[in-house]
Amino acid sequence: QSALTQPRSVSGSPGQSVTISCTGTSSDVGGYNYVSWYQQHPGKAPKLMTYDVSKRPSGIPDRFSGSKSGNTASLTISGLQAEDEADYYCCSYAGSYTYVVFGGGTKLTVL
Amino acid sequence: QVQLQESGPGLVKPSETLSLTCTVSGGSVSSYYWSWIRQPPGKGLEWIGYIHYSGNTNYNPSLKSRVTMSIDTSKNQFSLKLSSVTAADTAVYYCAKIGSGGARMDVWGQGTTVTVSS
Repeated sequence: QSALTQPRSVSGSPGQSVTISCTGTSSDVGGYNYVSWYQQHPGKAPKLMTYDVSKRPSGIPDRFSGSKSGNTASLTISGLQAEDEADYYCCSYAGSYTYVVFGGGTKLTVL
Repeated sequence: QVQLQESGPGLVKPSETLSLTCTVSGGSVSSYYWSWIRQPPGKGLEWIGYIHYSGNTNYNPSLKSRVTMSIDTSKNQFSLKLSSVTAADTAVYYCAKIGSGGARMDVWGQGTTVTVSS
């Protein structure tokens, strides 16, 4: 059982927007502004998509946006494209002892 | 542009020690914090621990008693040892660079599959 809770799957049509939620506690998501999101295509390594809740690494399109409210973080993907179909994992800092915890992952299907 | 490459045995016997190495190219192993993450077949990601060349380490509490990480600056590599392995340790193991500011992995290796079986 993962420390952070994500929906198992979400779906959307090309051009639409989808939001993936990530629920934790005040000891992780709610306590720090250090939430990151990773995209993983089958058989590939994860790729950092957003960090520090809402920042994007260089090269990541602004279609990907992160946010947080209380103990729940979200990743919104707008203007869905076929290549966005992948698994998405949230990750949060959880203090110096635990360091980081991951969500169980969400499979995004582009219809 | 930092790149990472994991290496090590793909098959380990139960009760033995899993040993993996991550080779850093395009940057110095002395410049950043480094992490290991694993992913059991069909499951999610699990953080194993991190290391800095200064000797600073931090391990997942659930694995702490079995994990040792080290750095070899002469070879620009860092390593993972996981002792007393069982089938539950079968996974793809990734090495990763921790981004400046911490709490995120901004460069990942391609991953290496380790199977624990007799």
